[in-house]
Amino acid sequence: EVQLLESGGGLVQPGGSLRLSCAASGFTFSNSAMNWVRQVPGKGLEWVSAISGGGDSTYSADSVKGRFTISRDNSKNTLYLQMNSLRAEDTAVYYCAKRGSGSWSNFDYWGQGILVTVSS
Amino acid sequence: QSVLTQPPSASGTPGQRVTISCSGSSSNIGENTVNWYQQLPGTAPKVLIYANSQRPSGVPDRFSGSKSGTSASLAISCLQSEDEANYYCAGWDDSLNGVVFGGGTKLTVL
Repeated sequence: EVQLLESGGGLVQPGGSLRLSCAASGFTFSNSAMNWVRQVPGKGLEWVSAISGGGDSTYSADSVKGRFTISRDNSKNTLYLQMNSLRAEDTAVYYCAKRGSGSWSNFDYWGQGILVTVSS
Repeated sequence: QSVLTQPPSASGTPGQRVTISCSGSSSNIGENTVNWYQQLPGTAPKVLIYANSQRPSGVPDRFSGSKSGTSASLAISCLQSEDEANYYCAGWDDSLNGVVFGGGTKLTVL
């Protein structure tokens, strides 16, 4: 059974940093591209960042470029999102999602999400 | 403002068929496949349709997807109360070099 478990969320002040982790199990992690998707409570979904299975290719939304960095440790089956220079508008539930077959926009498994709150 | 455009709401009565549209452009839907997600209240999204019209195992055949040009549609037949949820379309955008979502459609079963 595929499982994705996010951790590392919480309250952080504007301008601060936070690192999210997503522990994966139930599939061959190193063969799967992974993503972060966020959702402001009560609002729609926003894709944040993606990384290839080997970690050699990454993509990010313009809204987080230069501030957020996606990475992975295939020896630990773990995906990360390093978030720096956080802003109030980064407050959201962050989901990690596994890429399915075909398009980069096919997310076949999702974690339960973790809340990040940026506030003073 | 989302790159992909969906109606904010849709509704139907049990047993009816409803469709939800998703409009894009040549850089996203026009050149790439579309996926649809269902998000029930308080839960993570779940893929309903991938590659325009493919259903993952476990998704009822009441759900179907299609694409034409720069638009896509999700159809739900024999509507049931448990279909009440938010629905999102998504695709890759070649110009933005990233994934784009529609703003979401809240489906109400009357």
